[in-house]
Order: sequence, then C-alpha cells, then structure tokens
Amino acid sequence: GAGVSQSPSNKVTEKGKDVELRCDPISGHTALYWYRQSLGQGLEFLIYFQGNSAPDKSGLPSDRFSAERTGGSVSTLTIQRTQQEDSAVYLCASSLFDRNIQYFGAGTRLSVL
Amino acid sequence: GDSVTQMEGPVTLSEEAFLTINCTYTATGYPSLFWYVQYPGEGLQLLLKATKADDKGSNKGFEATYRKETTSFHLEKGSVQVSDSAVYFCALKGNTNAGKSTFGDGTTLTVKP
Repeated sequence: GAGVSQSPSNKVTEKGKDVELRCDPISGHTALYWYRQSLGQGLEFLIYFQGNSAPDKSGLPSDRFSAERTGGSVSTLTIQRTQQEDSAVYLCASSLFDRNIQYFGAGTRLSVL
Repeated sequence: GDSVTQMEGPVTLSEEAFLTINCTYTATGYPSLFWYVQYPGEGLQLLLKATKADDKGSNKGFEATYRKETTSFHLEKGSVQVSDSAVYFCALKGNTNAGKSTFGDGTTLTVKP
C-alpha cells in the first residue's frame, strides 16, 4: 500500500471490554512497531516485530496487552479488560530492516469510558 | 538505558522568527538521531536524520547537527512559517537494541502570522 494503515481510527469502549487494533504496514517492510502516545506526552514503545524473529515485548505495560503479526505483515494489538488509563493514541510504524526510518500510521485513538 | 530529553513546550513564535528546539540524548555507542514531525491530525513523519558524528541532517529549511561531544541534536530553522506549526519529536536508535527507538516527549510549536 501507499502507507501504513491503521484501523479503526477511533475506538470508544467501556471499561473491562477487550479491544483489537489493526495495523497494515507498508508492503515489503519487515519491521513493525507499536507505540502509545498519551495526551501531552511522548511516544511510549510497546512492541517490535522483525521478520521471523521473536518480538521484543519489553515495552508492554501489563499482561493485558498482547500483539501478534500474521504472515509477516498485518499486526493486531489486543488490550484485554481495558482500563481508563489505557486511553491514548496507539501508533503503528514499519520500516525496512536495513534502514532506520520509521513510517507511521495515523494512529487509533482509544477512549475507555 | 537510552534516553532523549527535548525542550519543553509549547513554543509560540511569530512568522519569520528563528527556531531552536533543543534535544540531548544518552546512549551507548553511536546511535542514529532523528527528528520526526506530527502535523495536526496526521501521523508522525520523518523530518531529518543523522547517522554519525558531525553529520548535518536537513529538510524543508530545518537543520540539525549530530554533536557527539555535547550529545545533542538541536533542531533549527532560520525563518518559520505558519505551516510549520506541529509537534516535533527527537528520537534515537541505538546500536545495542535491534529494534527499539527512543523518543522524546515532543515539543509543540505554534507559529502565528
């Protein structure tokens, strides 16, 4: 595709519900990243996928958060039993392995009521 | 671990004023350094980068020089425009972690006509 695509663009959910956020990276990009951007704050690294290697999950804030990447392409970030503090913009980015430039999607704005 | 500290905002300037947004970093080895920009309602996009000491990244009239001795990568522009209003993020990608990038908290710039 032309760029990194994320869906939905906005998600409103009730506390305690599970949510799934989707990311379609740029075709051919082997690396995929998830970040969280809370209001007025910087980017918080969540998880990184590179090819068939084991993902770097060091940024996931709790075991309610998980992510998978199917077929080396599309990725889904799942948040179980959402809490109000999970409200944020979730950003996905992809890059070629041998380059450092990350290309970002427009993000999913999650609001937990 | 790696860290990035950038100038707190918000920054408000008049059109044609000189801009400096300070960024300093802590990292082992020789990281690559980046400035990303996030325009209102859009995702982050790369503004410029530098991969080794004394390199100067430049784009759209913005410049930043990789200063190893002061561990800095300050962003400058000689004459800002209203269209430069955005959030600017300084970031680094170190050599010790294959995927993870570290971002600053972002600096919001507003340029008034």
